[in-house]
Formats: sequence, structure tokens, C-alpha cells
Amino acid sequence: AQTVTQSQPEMSVQEAETVTLSCTYDTSENNYYLFWYKQPPSRQMILVIRQEAYKQQNATENRFSVNFQKAAKSFSLKISDSQLGDTAMYFCASGDSNSGYALNFGKGTSLLVTP
Amino acid sequence: DTGVSQDPRHKITKRGQNVTFRCDPISEHNRLYWYRQTLGQGPEFLTYFQNEAQLEKSRLLSDRFSAERPKGSFSTLEIQRTEQGDSAMYLCASSLMENTEAFFGQGTRLTVV
Repeated sequence: AQTVTQSQPEMSVQEAETVTLSCTYDTSENNYYLFWYKQPPSRQMILVIRQEAYKQQNATENRFSVNFQKAAKSFSLKISDSQLGDTAMYFCASGDSNSGYALNFGKGTSLLVTP
Repeated sequence: DTGVSQDPRHKITKRGQNVTFRCDPISEHNRLYWYRQTLGQGPEFLTYFQNEAQLEKSRLLSDRFSAERPKGSFSTLEIQRTEQGDSAMYLCASSLMENTEAFFGQGTRLTVV
């Protein structure tokens, strides 16, 4: 079974600054996917970024990028030029074919962006 | 709106009562997932469907829980003889295929009193 660990329950960052959220995972699978989801106070989960484990290149989506270290089983999220609208819970998740790509989530990191 | 829709948004029920939640996935999405999220935790997988077939159930899904997806369209999650420990947000997600992006609904918040 996969486990996902987020060791930072809360973080804060000033607007326009950069912040990095940490995530480690454990899996015995070779073919898996990693995700960062954002859950704003309205509670609807939104996909931020996704990484296929077989790809060495780190995924990037506008201000969001990941640092995927496969050997270390680390998958951190970097948010550049933070905006007030980035305030939310951020969940790291993994999925693989063994579980039908059902997502296995970490406990989340609450990010507060301050003016 | 063509997103994932869940109904009701909130449900308060007395312990021992049965409740049923509905999820309407995005049209043509074959995969449908149910998760449960308690306060301060990440969502936990409950079960998923490929079209109308229920392919996997988590150990969290006790025999008081049952889920269906007739005709591979909407899905229902029923909890029988509710307990206070069932209080949580129940999230539904759908995806076009097995390893494509999952889109989440806004959830149904269940409170058992």
C-alpha cells in the first residue's frame, strides 16, 4: 500500500514570495502518478499539478512546479509569486494501477498567503 | 455547469438512521470514486466504479455502507444505521479514464447527532 506524508501542517508566505511544500511517499510500484491538489475554503478539490513517475522532467504549471526526487521518494511543490488566492489546504496524493488509480492522500498542509 | 455534482450538500441525521447521498459525475466519465474526509485529514478512499461495475472497496467501507452506480451514470452511497463516527465530508470524484485527472464535487457533509 502507498503512504503519503506531509510533514508541514501549516505554512504561511507573503504575497509575491515563493514557498515550498514538502511531501514524501512510499510505494512498491514502478508505475505510479503523483499529484498536488488544492482545497480552498469552499472545499472543492482542484488539481494543481501532476507528475508521472516514469518522467524525469519535473512538471510545471504556470507558477506551480514540482521537485520530483524518485530515489528519495520526495515530491515537493513550489509556488512562485504567491497570490492571496493561493490560500488553501494543499494535499499531496499518489495513485497507481494496482488501486485503480484511486488517490492516496497525505494529511495536507494549510497555506496562508498574507498581504 | 458540467462539473461533478453532489446532493445534498449537508445532511444532519440522528444516530441509527439511514442516509443516502447522490453523485452525478461529469458526463462520459467512466470512473467514479467515493472518498471520506474527516476534519484535519486528507480524503480517504472508499470505493470506485468503472462504468456500472464496482471494482474495489476499501476496508473502511463496512457492511453498513453500500454504493451503486446503475447504468454507469450517477452513483449513490448509502449508510445504514449511522453512527457518530460516520460524521464526515463525503467526496465524489470522476475521471474520463483510469489514469486521467480526477474532478471532485463539493462534497456532502454528514453530521450524525
